[in-house]
Order: sequence, then C-alpha cells, then structure tokens
Amino acid sequence: GQSLEQPSEVTAVEGAIVQINCTYQTSGFYGLSWYQQHDGGAPTFLSYNALDGLEETGRFSSFLSRSDSYGYLLLQELQMKDSASYFCAVRDSYKLSFGAGTTVTVRA
Amino acid sequence: DTEVTQTPKHLVMGMTNKKSLKCEQHMGHRAMYWYKQKAKKPPELMFVYSYEKLSINESVPSRFSPECPNSSLLNLHLHALQPEDSALYLCASSQRGTSEGEQYFGPGTRLTVT
Repeated sequence: GQSLEQPSEVTAVEGAIVQINCTYQTSGFYGLSWYQQHDGGAPTFLSYNALDGLEETGRFSSFLSRSDSYGYLLLQELQMKDSASYFCAVRDSYKLSFGAGTTVTVRA
Repeated sequence: DTEVTQTPKHLVMGMTNKKSLKCEQHMGHRAMYWYKQKAKKPPELMFVYSYEKLSINESVPSRFSPECPNSSLLNLHLHALQPEDSALYLCASSQRGTSEGEQYFGPGTRLTVT
C-alpha cells in the first residue's frame, strides 16, 4: 500500500513563500502529483514530477527526490486566492493515492 | 475544452431510492474515475474505467454500480444507500492509463442520504 505524510495546516501572510512537504512510502513509485482544492470546489491539477528535480509553473514549483521519498510544493508571492487545501498524491502502477491534505490560510 | 461536467450538483435521496450520477468529458480521455470525498478528507478512489472497461473496483459495496456507456460518459447508479454514504462524489478523467498523475476533476455531486 501507500503512505503519505504532509502537514495539516500552514498559515502565512500575503506575499510570503510557503513550502508544503510530502513524504511517502510506496512500492512501484511512478511519480508525485499536487492538487489544489478550494472549499466547495473540485481538486485542480497543479503539477506532476516523475523525475528528480524542480518543476516551475508560474508562482508554484514542485520538487521531487526519489531517493529520499520526498517532495514539496512551493507557493511563492502568496495571494489571498491561494487559501485552499493542497494534496500530494503518489502514482504507482495501480492508482493515484492522495495524502490527507494541507490547509493553507493566507492572511492579509 | 478541459472540462469535466457532472450532474446533478446536489442530490438528496432516501435509503430506498434509486438514483444515478452522471459525468461527461469531451477531451478524448480514455480513463475515467469515480472518487468519494468526505469533508476535510482526501478523495478516495472507487472505480476506474479504462477504454470503457472497468479496470479497478476498490471493494466498493454493490449498492454503488458504475457504468460507462461510451468513452465520454460515466454513470454511477445508486441504490439502497446508507446515511454514511453522504459525501461529495467526484468524477475525473485522464488521457490514457488508470493511474495517471494528471487527472481532471468535475465539480462533483454533493449527495445527502436521509
């Protein structure tokens, strides 16, 4: 099976940088995804890392270290609209399994 | 068009009712998924269809019955549900396989079982 750990909550001010860490245990690892979900909304795909290294998409970046079974999502220049839940998800040969989620609260 | 649509948005049903949830995508994706999400919890996989065939059933009770009439449509038939089945039911699709990291989710159907 799979096991993922991520912090439950993070609070930061507008303009700040937030890093959400995700550690995982799984067999047959293919890659690590990140999803954003606003209250009452659907999960939205943010990024997918299959190889080690940093992937940058605008204000958001995602990092993966396969040898450390670790990844993170970096949110830069935080905006109020970034207040949401963020899920890491491990892809194996069978399915995508989600972590418990990190609630990010952005304060003015 | 990167949209997955779901109907209805909200559904209230009694434990003896039969209802269906519908999902549609026109992105040409070949894998479609049903997830269940409880409040403050992550999505939990229920079923996966790959190329219109059921490829994964995560030991879901038989009161939930999926159907994939064609490559764009996915249904979830509900019968004799329990109050604990109340949740947000999410449909998703992905381009190819059954475990792709990039999945597109619909807005969900919020189901209440009374």
